[in-house]
Amino acid sequence: QKEVEQDPGPLSVPEGAIVSLNCTYSNSAFQYFMWYRQYSRKGPELLMYTYSSGNKEDGRFTAQVDKSSKYISLFIRDSQPSDSATYLCAMTLGASSGSARQLTFGSGTQLTVLP
Amino acid sequence: DADVTQTPRNRITKTGKRIMLECSQTKGHDRMYWYRQDPGLGLRLIYYSFDVKDINKGEISDGYSVSRQAQAKFSLSLESAIPNQTALYFCATSGAVGADTQYFGPGTRLTVL
Repeated sequence: QKEVEQDPGPLSVPEGAIVSLNCTYSNSAFQYFMWYRQYSRKGPELLMYTYSSGNKEDGRFTAQVDKSSKYISLFIRDSQPSDSATYLCAMTLGASSGSARQLTFGSGTQLTVLP
Repeated sequence: DADVTQTPRNRITKTGKRIMLECSQTKGHDRMYWYRQDPGLGLRLIYYSFDVKDINKGEISDGYSVSRQAQAKFSLSLESAIPNQTALYFCATSGAVGADTQYFGPGTRLTVL
């Protein structure tokens, strides 16, 4: 079993739709949670960063962490064609960990927003 | 200009050849990483370096070696390439503070025939 599971999609939605992307994980020691966005033929770039449980909002994007369920989500409101990309979740252990904040990535979900 | 650059961007080689992928950064970061990305497997860490004198194996280091020539340069070598090393390779950097925010290069697409 992978430490981080993510539905690879592909996911296609019409412009303006609300998109929900999700990851589950097995290691309860993960404390820092991130979403990276990767456009075709580009490297990933950090989109959202959350510590522990709770919600974080940034414009049209909301990141949600539920540590009790080992489940994280990224919501995109009013989705745009420019949001078409692969979205990767990532997580890391706490600051006291000897693994020095290595990121563990999900496999990515490919999203297409149709105009 | 890009903060993290990788050369070459594409490479096709044959089984048994030695290959070097290079990464340079202008972000002034101490930490550098090499990942490979495969469909369905996501990004997997090959090696990482916290400074010029510090090199650490990642999840999948077998068949790879690295060299940190300077703070800004981190090279990945495949001593004897094999077909299952065909993948997209990414270099990334981060600062010591906020190390979870990694900045990725554009990637190198490597094909081993």
